[in-house]
Amino acid sequence: DAGVTQSPTHLIKTRGQQVTLRCSPKSGHDTVSWYQQALGQGPQFIFQYYEEEERQRGNFPDRFSGHQFPNYSSELNVNALLLGDSALYLCASSLVGVVTEAFFGQGTRLTVV
Amino acid sequence: QKEVEQNSGPLSVPEGAIASLNCTYSDRGSQSFFWYRQYSGKSPELIMFIYSNGDKEDGRFTAQLNKASQYVSLLIRDSQPSDSATYLCAVKGGFKTIFGAGTRLFVKA
Repeated sequence: DAGVTQSPTHLIKTRGQQVTLRCSPKSGHDTVSWYQQALGQGPQFIFQYYEEEERQRGNFPDRFSGHQFPNYSSELNVNALLLGDSALYLCASSLVGVVTEAFFGQGTRLTVV
Repeated sequence: QKEVEQNSGPLSVPEGAIASLNCTYSDRGSQSFFWYRQYSGKSPELIMFIYSNGDKEDGRFTAQLNKASQYVSLLIRDSQPSDSATYLCAVKGGFKTIFGAGTRLFVKA
């Protein structure tokens, strides 16, 4: 049973470019949350998707957008990249109604130069 | 005031000792509380969750919750060098989970 998978694992982009990160949830999970983790910090909640809708959003600008597909997989898009967007981007999946987002993917390390 | 606060550490304990990790949170409406372990360069992995006042034990780990004091703690008994990691406290209210910055734990052999 595959866990949460994210792609790519590493990415280098230039300031001002756009990036798309992908996440496939654990089998049976229908909810996907995205987090940004800067070096030395805890994960910061970006947003959560359920039934292809953004259910809640953290304190991130509109440059950060997302999408959830009918198969529950999800994308995180970041436009007009800034140097400060360099971070580990984590996806976590869960099943609606279950308390905990127990399963994180391995993350995508984004470096903006 | 940060929403979830943890001492950044590092907390250093000898092998076999009890490690005590603490966390405070600001939102009284928070409903669920979690401890994650994160090894360097890896993603967080869930150790325990708790949502009722009191203690919850799982093997060498005990989580403690005091909602009146807005305080969560994690005790690790018989600490092992493999427990050396960053421990993240997370608090959930509604659909949003807020993480602390983590406490680095070193267990000396």
